[in-house]
Amino acid sequence: DAGVIQSPRHEVTEMGQEVTLRCKPISGHNSLFWYRQTMMRGLELLIYFNNNVPIDDSGMPEDRFSAKMPNASFSTLKIQPSEPRDSAVYFCASRGTAGEKLFFGSGTQLSVL
Amino acid sequence: AQSVAQPEDQVNVAEGNPLTVKCTYSVSGNPYLFWYVQYPNRGLQFLLKYITGDNLVKGSYGFEAEFNKSQTSFHLKKPSALVSDSALYFCAVSGSARQLTFGSGTQLTVLP
Repeated sequence: DAGVIQSPRHEVTEMGQEVTLRCKPISGHNSLFWYRQTMMRGLELLIYFNNNVPIDDSGMPEDRFSAKMPNASFSTLKIQPSEPRDSAVYFCASRGTAGEKLFFGSGTQLSVL
Repeated sequence: AQSVAQPEDQVNVAEGNPLTVKCTYSVSGNPYLFWYVQYPNRGLQFLLKYITGDNLVKGSYGFEAEFNKSQTSFHLKKPSALVSDSALYFCAVSGSARQLTFGSGTQLTVLP
């Protein structure tokens, strides 16, 4: 298995532009998580899906952020419009069952200028 | 709400010496506890977990962790540190809410 696949690895954009981050979870995993990592705030859970349904999106910073999981093998995190304070590393992780370990992707380094 | 505290931002230890990275948690019900490691420019990698059973859990790369229910702690330990153990270590807890909450991380530096 290739593990959790995220794209792109790096994204540089200008303030106001739309940004879309992509994630392919491990096949057979039914839970998917989006995290954001910054020096100031550490690792923050943004949103959590179970069986493609958003369970908890209380960590999504504001309406500029949205996430979808149209099927079991694909999820997107969209920021529109992007702002410099959104600059961070965004991680996607998947899990088979509750209580089991998370498998993390390599992350997307987002820089908003 | 569940939470994790890692009281030390930085831990330095000499190679060959034992190491401890501290973690305390707060959660409703029985905890699922995890340790993850992150190397530069990489995602988090699983080290070990505690769900139930023996309080001493053994994991990858010679690491182990001790679950202490009365102190709500889950400290990470290794008897003899290696320079290659230098990395960022995260403790995490999951309770009935099922999502994983991570601590702020502890940067471990093993000095040669």
